[in-house]
Amino acid sequence: RKEVEQDPGPFNVPEGATVAFNCTYSNSASQSFFWYRQDCRKEPKLLMSVYSSGNEDGRFTAQLNRASQYISLLIRDSKLSDSATYLCVVNVGGGFKTIFGAGTRLFVKA
Amino acid sequence: GAVVSQHPSWVICKSGTSVKIECRSLDFQATTMFWYRQFPKQSLMLMATSNEGSKATYEQGVEKDKFLINHASLTLSTLTVTSAHPEDSSFYICSARDPGQGRTDTQYFGPGTRLTVL
Repeated sequence: RKEVEQDPGPFNVPEGATVAFNCTYSNSASQSFFWYRQDCRKEPKLLMSVYSSGNEDGRFTAQLNRASQYISLLIRDSKLSDSATYLCVVNVGGGFKTIFGAGTRLFVKA
Repeated sequence: GAVVSQHPSWVICKSGTSVKIECRSLDFQATTMFWYRQFPKQSLMLMATSNEGSKATYEQGVEKDKFLINHASLTLSTLTVTSAHPEDSSFYICSARDPGQGRTDTQYFGPGTRLTVL
């Protein structure tokens, strides 16, 4: 079993749609969680951190469920520019070993 | 956010040659940098943790004699792929944490170096 698992997709959605991604992690010692966005042939860029209380940044909402060990990302009112691969990232332990999910591909179409 | 640069952005080399990739933190000091490798349609895989002034820590399965890491200053880490072979062709990305930012566990990535070995 992979330490961080994501549905690879692709998710094909029309502009304006709401789309949700889930990510599960296996290590209960995981301490911090992030969503990164990676465009084709580019480096990952931090989208948002994920807090236990849930957090929102504009059209993006992230939630963490420690009991079930999963993280979610909700994108509302999808834009063409949201098309990318979304990486679920987990830091484990005090040394912050970072583990990346394989990513979920999103295509937003006009 | 913090800025990390990499050079070169892409390189094509012949099999058997060595390639050096530089990673720089431009507006902060990074005692620790990370080197990742990403094959097409796969996740980033941590290769090694680069520690300023000391030896790098390599992940299991990564040959330290093949992937030489030097972290000579607080703003520069280099990765040298020695005697490169076609199977080393990949996207190499470095990252660093900025202790001056609010969260010290957030990584900032360089733009990556695409290595193609012929």
